[in-house]
Amino acid sequence: AQSVAQPEDQVNVAEGNPLTVKCTYSVSGNPYLFWYVQYPNRGLQFLLKYITGDNLVKGSYGFEAEFNKSQTSFHLKKPSALVSDSALYFCVLILSGGSYIPTFGRGTSLIVHP
Amino acid sequence: DTGVSQDPRHKITKRGQNVTFRCDPISEHNRLYWYRQTLGQGPEFLTYFQNEAQLEKSRLLSDRFSAERPKGSFSTLEIQRTEQGDSAMYLCASSNKAGGRGDTQYFGPGTRLTVL
Repeated sequence: AQSVAQPEDQVNVAEGNPLTVKCTYSVSGNPYLFWYVQYPNRGLQFLLKYITGDNLVKGSYGFEAEFNKSQTSFHLKKPSALVSDSALYFCVLILSGGSYIPTFGRGTSLIVHP
Repeated sequence: DTGVSQDPRHKITKRGQNVTFRCDPISEHNRLYWYRQTLGQGPEFLTYFQNEAQLEKSRLLSDRFSAERPKGSFSTLEIQRTEQGDSAMYLCASSNKAGGRGDTQYFGPGTRLTVL
């Protein structure tokens, strides 16, 4: 069985400070990993993904994430947070083969304080 | 880019009634997905289509749920004999198969179902 864990329900950070939103996964096989963001009253939007290749992936709005196979993690990072980054962030896991069932984490609410 | 649209945006129904939701994907996308999201949880995969073929269906999907995509364009999700536990946001997404399993999904605004 595959699973995704986002250990923090909420992350608070001051504007201008670096931010990290954590994601760990469990899977038998090779994972494809994604981050999506959900702003209030708006649909889910794609941020970035890891399929293969470089472990450091850069995405929209200055976000990046590092795939760490040994630690089974895919943490989302940004060097300098903006108040407008405040939203709900979801980590998503898909197996590279076999059954195609995207698995979402529970989500982490990011709050950036001015 | 018109995006993924869903109709209705809100639906209130009484327990035991049937409801049907519609999703119109981005026009050139051949994959379409349905999810259910409850408060405080991430979206839960229900099913997905490639063109008109339903290729995957979650084991969590009750027999009361059925989805169709008859011409490989829009899709409908029907829930029969609704229960209070069906109250949730129902999300639709679409993608272009060209990316394989790594394709980016584009989500609609969702249909919020409330079962009284």
